[in-house]
Amino acid sequence: AQKITQTQPGMFVQEKEAVTLDCTYDTSDPSYGLFWYKQPSSGEMIFLIYQGSYDQQNATEGRYSLNFQKARKSANLVISASQLGDSAMYFCAMRDPPRAGGTSYGKLTFGQGTILTVHP
Amino acid sequence: DSGVTQTPKHLITATGQRVTLRCSPRSGDLSVYWYQQSLDQGLQFLIHYYNGEERAKGNILERFSAQQFPDLHSELNLSSLELGDSALYFCASSALGQGVSGANVLTFGAGSRLTVL
Repeated sequence: AQKITQTQPGMFVQEKEAVTLDCTYDTSDPSYGLFWYKQPSSGEMIFLIYQGSYDQQNATEGRYSLNFQKARKSANLVISASQLGDSAMYFCAMRDPPRAGGTSYGKLTFGQGTILTVHP
Repeated sequence: DSGVTQTPKHLITATGQRVTLRCSPRSGDLSVYWYQQSLDQGLQFLIHYYNGEERAKGNILERFSAQQFPDLHSELNLSSLELGDSALYFCASSALGQGVSGANVLTFGAGSRLTVL
């Protein structure tokens, strides 16, 4: 069974600085997808960035980038130039691998989350 | 607005009661996934429907059931409610629900917060 681990319950960063949120995963399947979501205090889950296991380059979306180290099974989220509005819970997630018959149904398994606080 | 609509936003009820949570997926999305978020369990997958058919089941209690209707909206029924069922229940939708290999992002609704007293 696959597993997602976020070891940092909470992180603090100064406004305008960069911060890295850690995520490690465990899977025996060569084909997988990794996602990061943001959950602000209002509660909604907001998709940030996606990395496929076969993608050659690290994913980037604006101020978000994914430091994908396949051999180490890590997919850390890097937020550059932090803003006060970045204060939220951040979740790393992995898509279920294909089942027997070769199809994945797309379900995500989430890590425990990291609470990021941005200080002015 | 994510395009995924969940109702009600908040619900307070008593132990032993039954509630129904409703989800309308984004236009064009065929898959609906239900998740439960509680402080002690985190985000737990409950069940997945694709185009009206159940595709995967997670840690869903026997007291809970779900279905997806021909118009693709979904309902999650929670019965014989216990204090421990208090949680934020999310519905998420995606375009695909089988043969998924690319990004296939799950788009989440705002959630239904259930409080059982």
